[in-house]
Amino acid sequence: EADIYQTPRYLVIGTGKKITLECSQTMGHDKMYWYQQDPGMELHLIHYSYGVNSTEKGDLSSESTVSRIRTEHFPLTLESARPSHTSQYLCASGGPPRGDLSYNEQFFGPGTRLTVL
Amino acid sequence: AQSVSQHNHHVILSEAASLELGCNYSYGGTVNLFWYVQYPGQHLQLLLKYFSGDPLVKGIKGFEAEFIKSKFSFNLRKPSVQWSDTAEYFCAVNGPKTNSGYALNFGKGTSLLVTP
Repeated sequence: EADIYQTPRYLVIGTGKKITLECSQTMGHDKMYWYQQDPGMELHLIHYSYGVNSTEKGDLSSESTVSRIRTEHFPLTLESARPSHTSQYLCASGGPPRGDLSYNEQFFGPGTRLTVL
Repeated sequence: AQSVSQHNHHVILSEAASLELGCNYSYGGTVNLFWYVQYPGQHLQLLLKYFSGDPLVKGIKGFEAEFIKSKFSFNLRKPSVQWSDTAEYFCAVNGPKTNSGYALNFGKGTSLLVTP
């Protein structure tokens, strides 16, 4: 079944640690996104990718980095976590499956709730 | 820059009451419009979407939304809510903005609580 996966779902970590949030999709989508969401607030785009070897920063400044070596995989890395990084991180994929018309519907993973102590 | 406003942050309704959640956006060009829902403990799911054509769109679970271009609005409606509709509702829009990969701009969300 086509889906989008994120691991871990919850992560509590100390300041200064390096972490990688995993995101994978089996939907065949070229476009992938990372959003950050704080309670009671809108989702903010922090990274996106048009496809393999394409990564761009979003509207919200973030100290995280991303990579896109495979179509289905879009991990997000924080080299040195800080309490200000505490948030929920949502991964999404979107755009057409290969060969179809372009629509901009996006599909979301379950999210990773990160707490940095 | 695009922005999305959701007028109600918290709504409490009794079962069988009618629901209308307001959403306005600020963008003058062609837009795609979405309502997403997040049930407790679950991930964001698409409720309905508007790309073109009939401005009254129907989604899952009896929800519908009307796109009124002149008012820059895309309000969500349901004639009779159920307890299972308790969730967070997000309005989102994306236009032909080429510098963010067609990412979505979201409103702050509306938390709906339906009481028995």
